[in-house]
Amino acid sequence: SQTIHQWPATLVQPVGSPLSLECTVEGTSNPNLYWYRQAAGRGLQLLFYSVGIGQISSEVPQNLSASRPQDRQFILSSKKLLLSDSGFYLCAWSNRGNSGSPLHFGNGTRLTVT
Amino acid sequence: QQQVKQSPQSLIVQKGGISIINCAYENTAFDYFPWYQQFPGKGPALLIAIRPDVSEKKEGRFTISFNKSAKQFSLHIMDSQPGDSATYFCAAPGGYQKVTFGTGTKLQVIP
Repeated sequence: SQTIHQWPATLVQPVGSPLSLECTVEGTSNPNLYWYRQAAGRGLQLLFYSVGIGQISSEVPQNLSASRPQDRQFILSSKKLLLSDSGFYLCAWSNRGNSGSPLHFGNGTRLTVT
Repeated sequence: QQQVKQSPQSLIVQKGGISIINCAYENTAFDYFPWYQQFPGKGPALLIAIRPDVSEKKEGRFTISFNKSAKQFSLHIMDSQPGDSATYFCAAPGGYQKVTFGTGTKLQVIP
């Protein structure tokens, strides 16, 4: 069965520090991968999505970047965190090439920038 | 980009009552409309989904109703239970399987 791993679960970082969040998927090949951010009590904002290795599309201009060095690995990074980067970061995957494929989410990383 | 408008923002329902959440979308070119359920501290999980060639889909106490002409779909939770207390998101797919989510509805079922 497919599983998605996301870590760390919680993170407290000072303003100006770097960030690296990692997500890996097991049990499937060639997935679409996604990073979403959810502010407290708010909806889900799509940050990045990827349809293949090295292929990254950014949805919102921001202080963050994403990379996909391997087929089932997706990394969210920042060189210098801002207070506004605080939030709940969710990684997700879906089957490629199937418009009826649901998203499968990890359990998220709660990031607090102080 | 696909826009999805969800209402209400929050909902309080008595145990045993019916919870109704509505969503409206803009683009008619898509063929899959899911609802996700999210508990605090967890990622959303697919609850139920519908394709627009049917007007209704029922799974247990959960029903999606779809109105293609009005570009609306809704989630009905029958016999609502305290364990249904969660945030619910509707969604609509976009190009390259980008998914746009509604703003979410926080449901509280009180005993």
